[in-house]
Amino acid sequence: EVQLVESGGGLVQPGGSLRLSCAASGFTFSSYDMHWVRQATGKGLEWVSAIGTAGDTYYPGSVKGRFTISRENAKNSLYLQMNSLRAGDTAVYYCARGGIVGAGGMDVWGQGTTVTVSS
Amino acid sequence: QSVLTQPPSVSAAPGQKVTISCSGSSSNIGNNYVSWYQQLPGTAPKLLIYENNKRPSGIPDRFSGSKSGTSATLGITGLQTGDEADYYCGTWDSSLSAQVFGGGTKLTVL
Repeated sequence: EVQLVESGGGLVQPGGSLRLSCAASGFTFSSYDMHWVRQATGKGLEWVSAIGTAGDTYYPGSVKGRFTISRENAKNSLYLQMNSLRAGDTAVYYCARGGIVGAGGMDVWGQGTTVTVSS
Repeated sequence: QSVLTQPPSVSAAPGQKVTISCSGSSSNIGNNYVSWYQQLPGTAPKLLIYENNKRPSGIPDRFSGSKSGTSATLGITGLQTGDEADYYCGTWDSSLSAQVFGGGTKLTVL
């Protein structure tokens, strides 16, 4: 079964750091681009970052310089290192499989992990 | 303010048809593939349409997608109460080098 499972969420103080993980199974992880997408309570989807099969990375301005996406193909794992966290980063974070320029769409999503930034 | 514009809500009766629009620009919808996602309450998003008009395996043909210029449309026919969800369009924006989503549309089946 194709599956993505996120972990690493929790409560962190403003200015703190957190590292999210996404474990992939059921497909050849190294062959796919991957994304992180977040959703604040009651709000819409917000793309957070993407990483290509060659390790190329992409970020929106809202997280650039604070968040770092990475992958470890040998462990079928995707990561998101989040630094200098702000209250506005509070959200459910999903990892998703999908082409970076949209081909194929984001066809597999994890169940999400919750990040709360609060003092 | 989302880069892609969707109506906040739409509604229709069971069995009827509804369309959801997604408006963008030449840097996103105009030159890139559009996807549509369904998010049922309390669950992760699910891919409904990819590459403008293709359905993943398991998605019924009640769901359809189209694109014209800088706008895209999701159509749902034979509405069921189980279709009540939030629907999002998404695409790549070549100017921003970023994935962008619409603000989402809440579908109510009356």
